[in-house]
Amino acid sequence: GAGVSQTPSNKVTEKGKYVELRCDPISGHTALYWYRQSLGQGPEFLIYFQGTGAADDSGLPNDRFFAVRPEGSVSTLKIQRTERGDSAMYLCASSLTPGAGELFFGEGSRLTVL
Amino acid sequence: AQSVTQLGSHVSVSEGALVLLRCNYSSSVPPYLFWYVQYPNQGLQLLLKYTTGATLVKGINGFEAEFKKSETSFHLTKPSAHMSDAAEYFCAVSDYNQGGKLIFGQGTELSVKP
Repeated sequence: GAGVSQTPSNKVTEKGKYVELRCDPISGHTALYWYRQSLGQGPEFLIYFQGTGAADDSGLPNDRFFAVRPEGSVSTLKIQRTERGDSAMYLCASSLTPGAGELFFGEGSRLTVL
Repeated sequence: AQSVTQLGSHVSVSEGALVLLRCNYSSSVPPYLFWYVQYPNQGLQLLLKYTTGATLVKGINGFEAEFKKSETSFHLTKPSAHMSDAAEYFCAVSDYNQGGKLIFGQGTELSVKP
């Protein structure tokens, strides 16, 4: 596609439920990043993929959070046993030249945990 | 480790006035620096970036920023504010030795008064 696509744009779930958020990066971009943005804050890094492998997952807050990118394109962020504190905007970005180039962001998936 | 501090979570200017958004960074290596803008209900969009070379960089919509190593600053300016500039602005530094993930500041919300 022309840009980074994220689905769903909005997700409301109940505490304790499982959630999946999907990111479809720009075609040909090998690097993919997930960020979390809380209200009034800057985006916080979660995880970075280079191809199919997670090159840096140092930002994942705990083992309830997991992400995959099995074919080196689409990525899914998975959150188990959701908590109210997980409510935030989840942003995905991709890059053609990780390190020197800009990141292209999607519009985000807003997660609300009731 | 890299970090970014944006001075002022809210800045208000009159239409036609100078815009100055402040950003200071900390980096153990020569930094790559970015300014992103986020309009309501939209994804982050790159305004401009500094990697190497000329320290005064020009971006979209009349914005520019100057890299000052001695002051560890990368302030964003625009000579004359327009109503359409009202948005959230984020300064970021690239951790290019670790996959190019961006470390963001907390953001500055710019309001433009008629």
